[in-house]
Amino acid sequence: DTGVSQDPRHKITKRGQNVTFRCDPISEHNRLYWYRQTLGQGPEFLTYFQNEAQLEKSRLLSDRFSAERPKGSFSTLEIQRTEQGDSAMYLCASESVAGVTDTQYFGPGTRLTVL
Amino acid sequence: DQQVKQNSPSLSVQEGRISILNCDYTNSMFDYFLWYKKYPAEGPTFLISISSIKDKNEDGRFTVFLNKSAKHLSLHIVPSQPGDSAVYFCAARGRKTGANNLFFGTGTRLTVIP
Repeated sequence: DTGVSQDPRHKITKRGQNVTFRCDPISEHNRLYWYRQTLGQGPEFLTYFQNEAQLEKSRLLSDRFSAERPKGSFSTLEIQRTEQGDSAMYLCASESVAGVTDTQYFGPGTRLTVL
Repeated sequence: DQQVKQNSPSLSVQEGRISILNCDYTNSMFDYFLWYKKYPAEGPTFLISISSIKDKNEDGRFTVFLNKSAKHLSLHIVPSQPGDSAVYFCAARGRKTGANNLFFGTGTRLTVIP
């Protein structure tokens, strides 16, 4: 399977706990994006990396959120001191800027439930 | 501010007939548009895209039409099949906006009735 993978697929945590999600992009894709999707909404952009550089952050990304892509391959998204409002599906997507199309390919997502 | 809008939350179509899903956008800087299909508990799956230099793109049973003057695009599925039942998201991006992320609509749930 050469698609985008995410781990874990589901996470249930208590309010105030920290959680970390991992995304493995399609091999050789140098751009990696994080989105969040809540019920009844489309995915909303959080942040993206080109190689290991974090180039843009949405205002949705509060200071409790941090993302890394240390070697330009996999990425992690950490949420500190989780709140019930953080409950959502967290989606990762990757893209090759060398490609001829502007297409982002998504992983299966991590569903976070904060109790 | 919702820059990409899908005003029909749901659509039901008989198997074999045409499904037409609509999408409107407000930002004239958008120059690339995509449709994704999403099943429950899965991530969005890329379906078809169109650049703003074209007004139509076809891939098998799927055709996307773009009307730039109206800031409107539509996805036609013909013939519709039960396996097409899913939520369809319209997305847009614009290099000239300085952003590389996608802006999504709220989705249309398509049900194809056997």
